[in-house]
Amino acid sequence: DTGVSQDPRHKITKRGQNVTFRCDPISEHNRLYWYRQTLGQGPEFLTYFQNEAQLEKSRLLSDRFSAERPKGSFSTLEIQRTEQGDSAMYLCASSGAGVSEQYFGPGTRLTVT
Amino acid sequence: AQSVTQLDSHVSVSEGTPVLLRCNYSSSYSPSLFWYVQHPNKGLQLLLKYTSAATLVKGINGFEAEFKKSETSFHLTKPSAHMSDAAEYFCVVSDSGNNRLAFGKGNQVVVIP
Repeated sequence: DTGVSQDPRHKITKRGQNVTFRCDPISEHNRLYWYRQTLGQGPEFLTYFQNEAQLEKSRLLSDRFSAERPKGSFSTLEIQRTEQGDSAMYLCASSGAGVSEQYFGPGTRLTVT
Repeated sequence: AQSVTQLDSHVSVSEGTPVLLRCNYSSSYSPSLFWYVQHPNKGLQLLLKYTSAATLVKGINGFEAEFKKSETSFHLTKPSAHMSDAAEYFCVVSDSGNNRLAFGKGNQVVVIP
């Protein structure tokens, strides 16, 4: 069990650029989640997958945000036309079938200049 | 909708004295409740969870929490604070049948030598 990994750990981009983050869940976990955490706040839920199916995406912050999990393993979160307000920590978590607890990766810190 | 309230955003305790972090939840269904800890520059770590079994839950590092349905509370305690307990603590709720975690705003704990 190597834990949830995320890449990159830090990303600095200019406003208007597109960015993509990757998450690799714990290998036997079929559920994968994305959260966003801004300074001084708890993480907020964005979307989640069960295997390759995206079962909830209503919490994605705008249509500039999209996520994929094409083969039911790793996932990517893309933000198009980044804005300064997108600066935050983006967290990925995974869980196994039938269990409620989620295991989090170290996060990707995005800074939009 | 599920939510949690954490009072006292900043908590200072002396090393060796008890720690009490308060959490009240709101949930439409039978909830699962968690406490997560976030150390600086590290990922979220699960401390303990309640999922309708025993109401007193023991976690890692000497922490425990008690589920009180009548008070809609899930307070976290530790008998004796250690310097390594300095971190941010999040109370989290998840409705049964719902895979979203809803985080509180967190308690920043400072341990005074």
